[in-house]
Amino acid sequence: DAGITQSPRHKVTETGTPVTLRCHQTENHRYMYWYRQDPGHGLRLIHYSYGVKDTDKGEVSDGYSVSRSKTEDFLLTLESATSSQTSVYFCAISPDSYGYTFGSGTRLTVV
Amino acid sequence: KQEVTQIPAALSVPEGENLVLNCSFTDSAIYNLQWFRQDPGKGLTSLLLIQSSQREQTSGRLNASLDKSSGRSTLYIAASQPGDSATYLCAVNPGRGAQKLVFGQGTRLTINP
Repeated sequence: DAGITQSPRHKVTETGTPVTLRCHQTENHRYMYWYRQDPGHGLRLIHYSYGVKDTDKGEVSDGYSVSRSKTEDFLLTLESATSSQTSVYFCAISPDSYGYTFGSGTRLTVV
Repeated sequence: KQEVTQIPAALSVPEGENLVLNCSFTDSAIYNLQWFRQDPGKGLTSLLLIQSSQREQTSGRLNASLDKSSGRSTLYIAASQPGDSATYLCAVNPGRGAQKLVFGQGTRLTINP
């Protein structure tokens, strides 16, 4: 999607290893979000950021940490990956209370 | 805790029909509601956003309505086309500032030529 990119697009990792997913935006939007999408659960918010170094937890934050050292980058880290974290991860950005743009997603498989 | 439900989970209709997708939410204290479209293996595309003070929004063949007091929203698609086949998700935003959206599980729509 224009203005927001996620990397990698696909990743397979082993249980117990740390994994970092990257979200990069070129829109200079204030807010950035990480969601996961799972069958039977839909999309659920993991963490979000409301500015550089300003982050907060979402609904399913256990086992995840985030960092935002620059406006354009929002990193999601799985500190010790588990099979339950196999999912599709989406990053999103918004300038304020209106408008939302999603990235194309990262498919993560933990074996 | 806000819960969002979309019924039906899947819908298949012939091309040209008008159709309605439903979304219900348990807490009427919302700031806005959005409808998204998701194609297989892709991200979400925003279709329509309705503020809590509005009753409906229109974009082309799409019309979304909101009845906040009853906790319901509908997405009306007129003259459906095979290209409309996708999963449609509704999401409620509980407040101002950061949009901590709560999503329904979506309705998978198939339009048959």
